[in-house]
Amino acid sequence: GQQLNQSPQSMFIQEGEDVSMNCTSSSIFNTWLWYKQDPGEGPVLLIALYKAGELTSNGRLTAQFGITRKDSFLNISASIPSDVGIYFCAGMNYGGSQGNLIFGKGTKLSVKP
Amino acid sequence: EAGVTQSPTHLIKTRGQQATLRCSPISGHTSVYWYQQALGLGLQFLLWYDEGEERNRGNFPPRFSGRQFPNYSSELNVNALELEDSALYLCASNASPGVYYGYTFGSGTRLTVV
Repeated sequence: GQQLNQSPQSMFIQEGEDVSMNCTSSSIFNTWLWYKQDPGEGPVLLIALYKAGELTSNGRLTAQFGITRKDSFLNISASIPSDVGIYFCAGMNYGGSQGNLIFGKGTKLSVKP
Repeated sequence: EAGVTQSPTHLIKTRGQQATLRCSPISGHTSVYWYQQALGLGLQFLLWYDEGEERNRGNFPPRFSGRQFPNYSSELNVNALELEDSALYLCASNASPGVYYGYTFGSGTRLTVV
């Protein structure tokens, strides 16, 4: 089945640093999504990308939908302690009988004050 | 607007027993998705229900089953529990089947099998 390779698996950075993580797929997607999960909670949507080449920002977060439709990256600028958590990429081909999101294994972000 | 609610928040069962997990979607959402998140792993797709029917199923054995009720709430049943079924089970809802308007996740049910 479809798989997403997300990297890095974990990051330990200093507060104020920029962060970059990415996701690649063996097949194309119509939609790329980035979620954040805090301990004991469900994932929360950060950014949704619907078009190849699309670059979208949400505050300090910026994500791009790769031209090949097989990859996406997420950047976090000027990290703060509350950015700590696990970030997941997810791909989806909407329409038809699929409808389910395929998730990467996550990037665990730790921020040192 | 109430979010996706899941119950119970924690569940402890003995190997071989059955577990029932419940999910109430956001009002107006017709699609419900179930995911398993085992420790150290990402989210694995389990089941998708829409309008009372199972639309798609992930690579899980038949002892994982569920249903969706007329009010769009859903149950996930896990029979003959095994130790490796211990995980966080997440439910998400969406406004339209197969079209992404916004997957919203609940906080999950933490199932522990001893």
